[in-house]
Amino acid sequence: QVQLVESGGGVVQPGRSLRLSCAASGFTFSSYGMHWVRQAPGKGLEWVAVISYDGNKKYYADFVEGRFTISRDNSKNTLYLQMNSLRAEDTAVYYCAKDQYSSSYFQHWGQGTLVTVSS
Amino acid sequence: DIQMTQSPSSLSASVGDRVTITCQASQDISNYLNWYQQKEGKAPKLLIYDASNLDTGVPPRFSGSGSGTDFTFTISSLQPEDIATYYCQQYDNLPLTFGGGTKVEIK
Repeated sequence: QVQLVESGGGVVQPGRSLRLSCAASGFTFSSYGMHWVRQAPGKGLEWVAVISYDGNKKYYADFVEGRFTISRDNSKNTLYLQMNSLRAEDTAVYYCAKDQYSSSYFQHWGQGTLVTVSS
Repeated sequence: DIQMTQSPSSLSASVGDRVTITCQASQDISNYLNWYQQKEGKAPKLLIYDASNLDTGVPPRFSGSGSGTDFTFTISSLQPEDIATYYCQQYDNLPLTFGGGTKVEIK
């Protein structure tokens, strides 16, 4: 069965960096686009970024403002989110999600990893 | 960006009641609209895709309808296990956007 397991979250000071990982299994990872979606404490869902199945196309939410980079290693079945210049408002649970097709809907989500940006 | 306006933001209903949530898009999104259920402390779960298609294993008391800009999500007979927050999501255009959520509670 499809499994997505995020890791890399933690407490980080404003302005610092963090890299999240999402280990995928149970499907042909290299055939699917992948997304990051976040949820601030007590708030709603907010889409962050998408990467195409081959890593050649990437798209980001406006609030990223060049600070985050989505990437993938299909040889390791792993998705990444490099987050730089972190702000307090980036505090959230970050979920990775498997695209069903062409940035449509998410049948499979990870359990999430909490990022807390605080001094 | 396409804005998704979901209402109400919360509701309280009795077991067995019919519950309806609406989602309005800021522009025509055809039927590119999905609904998710999120229980406390858990990842979201897809319930309905393409406005009206039930995902595999989802109970038939859940349903969705609509196209264009106006969409409806219905629980025909509310059950205790349906306590959750429900979100709509459009995929007509990137960035993908979600509604603000509707928290459903038992009266």
